Amino acid sequence: AQKITQTQPGMFVQEKEAVTLDCTYDTSDPSYGLFWYKQPSSGEMIFLIYQGSYDQQNATEGRYSLNFQKARKSANLVISASQLGDSAMYFCAMREGRNTDKLIFGTGTRLQVFP
Amino acid sequence: DAGVIQSPRHEVTEMGQEVTLRCKPISGHDYLFWYRQTMMRGLELLIYFNNNVPIDDSGMPEDRFSAKMPNASFSTLKIQPSEPRDSAVYFCASSFGYQPQHFGDGTRLSIL
Repeated sequence: AQKITQTQPGMFVQEKEAVTLDCTYDTSDPSYGLFWYKQPSSGEMIFLIYQGSYDQQNATEGRYSLNFQKARKSANLVISASQLGDSAMYFCAMREGRNTDKLIFGTGTRLQVFP
Repeated sequence: DAGVIQSPRHEVTEMGQEVTLRCKPISGHDYLFWYRQTMMRGLELLIYFNNNVPIDDSGMPEDRFSAKMPNASFSTLKIQPSEPRDSAVYFCASSFGYQPQHFGDGTRLSIL
């Protein structure tokens, strides 16, 4: 089974609108961390936001927020007020367990923001 | 502050040649990771180090790949001999403890 699943290969959103990128995960370990990274067309990987499995509140970082639904094992990224510069690939990743720093990445979602 | 620095940014070489990719992690970070990104397989972890010691190399494809971290500020990933299927973007990342990993800009490797 896939550890991290991103079911949306591509998404379109109009500038200034909000968009949600889906991510579901699979683990039996009670301790884990969830990450989102952005990869623009220039190729670099940019860390956006982190959610720990024991965090009580959803993580937020500026226009990014993580809709963490533990029972459903989902960690969707919400981008508010989309900008043209948000067009990029977005990857969800999981660190599983307490004794590793290893990340497992999903296949990514390509977001295109149009005027 | 300087981020993770990788060199070269691009490498084109012929099959059978030795390839060496280099990485300088962020100062003070104690974890270093090497990833490979391809269209077919996505982003996959090859190996990672903690305090210069290899912790998990289960993602290294085969014996042609080797990685070293002689000190806290430098790591190499070598492919010898290289093959066309090794063509990919190779990323180095570093982190402090369990903080988020910070990636370099990657090395785009093409093996002809």
